[in-house]
Amino acid sequence: GESVGLHLPTLSVQEGDNSIINCAYSNSASDYFIWYKQESGKGPQFIIDIRSNMDKRQGQRVTVLLNKTVKHLSLQIAATQPGDSAVYFCVTNAGGTSYGKLTFGQGTILTVHP
Amino acid sequence: EAGVAQSPRYKIIEKRQSVAFWCNPISGHATLYWYQQILGQGPKLLIQFQNNGVVDDSQLPKDRFSAERLKGVDSTLKIQPAKLEDSAVYLCASSFRGVAQGDTQYFGPGTRLTVL
Repeated sequence: GESVGLHLPTLSVQEGDNSIINCAYSNSASDYFIWYKQESGKGPQFIIDIRSNMDKRQGQRVTVLLNKTVKHLSLQIAATQPGDSAVYFCVTNAGGTSYGKLTFGQGTILTVHP
Repeated sequence: EAGVAQSPRYKIIEKRQSVAFWCNPISGHATLYWYQQILGQGPKLLIQFQNNGVVDDSQLPKDRFSAERLKGVDSTLKIQPAKLEDSAVYLCASSFRGVAQGDTQYFGPGTRLTVL
């Protein structure tokens, strides 16, 4: 469901476990999807992106999965480390526009316990 | 490569006062964005520049917010007069071209504004 304000979804994992962060988006016209990580006191940092003509993309320790049928995006982090603790945002573009305005989701708080 | 620079990092003002934020994007980046991030929420785009022209300012409260990028490089965002609800982190980002071209947006550290 949708949360507002300070009630962000949270995920707590042990160091070394794999993490999966999920995101539901609503705009069926979106064709570009990004995951950003934001640590406390810092600006968002790009992690990985995927376009709508793909359903999976892998990076270093991270994998993004896209299911356009149900408008669902997920971020998988392998062997999660304490440095991965942050707020993770799924971001979509507007689709069908020249400059692709981005819309950030509300974020998921990931806490990694040593 | 230097990142996006923003100043000041923190600002505390009283309501009805004015405030200005400055951003210097990554060298060579044509597109510059200002976002507002309220505590507990994701960043929301306020305005997007392509070189010195405005591409999208549909979510900028134009009665009190203004922004400029006169020489197509650095930019200032101004709030006049400030309201309590303007308390937020103001983030600047830049990209080489634009999102439609698949260019990554790089964010600065933000300016945390508190309006009392």
